[in-house]
Amino acid sequence: DTGVSQDPRHKITKRGQNVTFRCDPISEHNRLYWYRQTLGQGPEFLTYFQNEAQLEKSRLLSDRFSAERPKGSFSTLEIQRTEQGDSAMYLCASSLGGGSSNYGYTFGSGTRLTVV
Amino acid sequence: AQKVTQAQTEISVVEKEDVTLDCVYETRDTTYYLFWYKQPPSGELVFLIRRNSFDEQNEISGRYSWNFQKSTSSFNFTITASQVVDSAVYFCALNDYKLSFGAGTTVTVRA
Repeated sequence: DTGVSQDPRHKITKRGQNVTFRCDPISEHNRLYWYRQTLGQGPEFLTYFQNEAQLEKSRLLSDRFSAERPKGSFSTLEIQRTEQGDSAMYLCASSLGGGSSNYGYTFGSGTRLTVV
Repeated sequence: AQKVTQAQTEISVVEKEDVTLDCVYETRDTTYYLFWYKQPPSGELVFLIRRNSFDEQNEISGRYSWNFQKSTSSFNFTITASQVVDSAVYFCALNDYKLSFGAGTTVTVRA
């Protein structure tokens, strides 16, 4: 296993278009997280899955955002009707464990979205 | 609610100087974990260290050292004898079931 993979690395889209990102976590990790990072800020939590169940969604995640993790494996994050404010780096991370876990988080390299 | 504060926005040093990054956190949990991550210009988040709330023993690992003080809710990080390759954004993070990050401190090491 080579770590967490995210695809694409970069995406430029016109305002109003829909985009979808993919994250492939480390195979034995049961938890998967999506974060958004804007310039000059730390990553902000968006949502997370334990296996295939989406357990929490941040208020940052508007109705235009949806995430899935079918069969508890890879995950997709879709943004509908993109806006310029959606421009950011979208980071995926995975971990093993639950609760207040000591297990490390492994982050992917991110997908940089630019909405023009 | 979890909160992580990194008061220093930017630090610039000359190579071989020591750099200390401050981190203050807030949590109501009695069991929690603290992390430091490095984000070089390439963008990936690189894990550096994690500490649990029961382990206040400070540690040195190579040029890195950590000072965890539960009484002041601080988890500071020091790079000794800095190198140009240490230039990056450093994030402190607090974990319950998800990571909450500080805003980051940009470290620039000049040759």
